[in-house]
Amino acid sequence: DIQMTQSPSSLSASVGDRVTITCRASQSISSYLNWYQQKPGKAPKLLIYAASSLQSGVPSRFSGSGSGTDFTLTISSLQPEDFATYYCQQSYSTPPSFGQGTKLEIK
Amino acid sequence: QLQLQESGPGLVKPSETLSLTCTVSGGSISSSSYYWGWIRQPPGKGLEWIGSIYYSGSTYYNPSLKSRVTISVDTSKNQFSLKLSSVTAADTAVYYCARHGTTAQAFDIWGQGTMVTVSS
Repeated sequence: DIQMTQSPSSLSASVGDRVTITCRASQSISSYLNWYQQKPGKAPKLLIYAASSLQSGVPSRFSGSGSGTDFTLTISSLQPEDFATYYCQQSYSTPPSFGQGTKLEIK
Repeated sequence: QLQLQESGPGLVKPSETLSLTCTVSGGSISSSSYYWGWIRQPPGKGLEWIGSIYYSGSTYYNPSLKSRVTISVDTSKNQFSLKLSSVTAADTAVYYCARHGTTAQAFDIWGQGTMVTVSS
């Protein structure tokens, strides 16, 4: 199975900050990398698919990059509604697997 | 728009079988473009994919759970179901149903999730 490792596990930031979350795969996954946002008590929401494609309806302040084993999710200017937990997920091979999550908190 | 809704018992006894159903509304489960999957999340922990099914009945499962999992589909009811046998406390989790494409497993539409507790 492919292991996905996110860093940091938690992050404190302020409204307006630029934030970057990193995800590393245990082997190359090409661009088969997706990002999700999850708020407490809610289902995850797909933000980015195929490493850099913005899901319909997701604000343009979210962007993704990377290929191979190293990927990043960037939020260009944090908004109050962005404080949540973020997960990466590889869809290169079965079983699809998720990172452990990055909790983004208000500073 | 397309919506998914999980249903089933919130409490299951150890060693018994967990059974959940996901009802798809606002669209057809028989789309050739999508698979329908189950994902779970233990309290305070991360996400684990359980398995997925195509409308034709073709399935694939997480090897870590394969021996205990059965996913089935009922296209006449626009539903798909999960059965997980021989449950233990480690199976306590929020269970989500979700849709993903046939070419890549990006889960783009999710149900709200249902909490299942395994306890006597």
